[in-house]
Amino acid sequence: NAGVTQTPKFQVLKTGQSMTLQCAQDMNHEYMSWYRQDPGMGLRLIHYSVGAGITDQGEVPNGYNVSRSTTEDFPLRLLSAAPSQTSVYFCASSGTMYQETQYFGPGTRLLVL
Amino acid sequence: AQTVTQSQPEMSVQEAETVTLSCTYDTSESDYYLFWYKQPPSRQMILVIRQEAYKQQNATENRFSVNFQKAAKSFSLKISDSQLGDAAMYFCAYCYGGATNKLIFGTGTLLAVQP
Repeated sequence: NAGVTQTPKFQVLKTGQSMTLQCAQDMNHEYMSWYRQDPGMGLRLIHYSVGAGITDQGEVPNGYNVSRSTTEDFPLRLLSAAPSQTSVYFCASSGTMYQETQYFGPGTRLLVL
Repeated sequence: AQTVTQSQPEMSVQEAETVTLSCTYDTSESDYYLFWYKQPPSRQMILVIRQEAYKQQNATENRFSVNFQKAAKSFSLKISDSQLGDAAMYFCAYCYGGATNKLIFGTGTLLAVQP
């Protein structure tokens, strides 16, 4: 049981490039979410999903796309990276959307030049 | 809108001593949940403790306990018998009750443990 996994651990992009941050969980959790963490700030919600085929925006969704085709996977796409997207990205999951404790992945550090 | 405030950017404690980290929040809701997460240098977010707003009893987990004051909207974390491994960034987080699981985080408190 690996829990929540994220790849890559670290990535450098040039402005305008696209990439996908991968997130997977093996706990059969319905709820998955993406947060970003910037210096001096707490984590902020980007997008979330309450089940396969269902996604919604969080607090800071601009510049990011998500989809949820399976229960296990919840990738985060940056279509045209900007320096403002330099951050640490965390994926999290919980059994359901009803205030259950969320378990976080190890994070992906992204640097956009 | 709900907000979470951690007014202590940094704290320091001697090994084996007790330290309290402060957290206040603003909400008009009556049903919600509060969490403390620990983030060590590895960056992994680790759940420390959870408190349901409808419960009057303060949550405890081994050396970690909370002082939940619902009327004052205060949720402090007490770490007893501090250990070197407790050194980390600690985040307070709020989760609104209802059909959502969105977490709102404070800005964190960096805890140093002195040997």
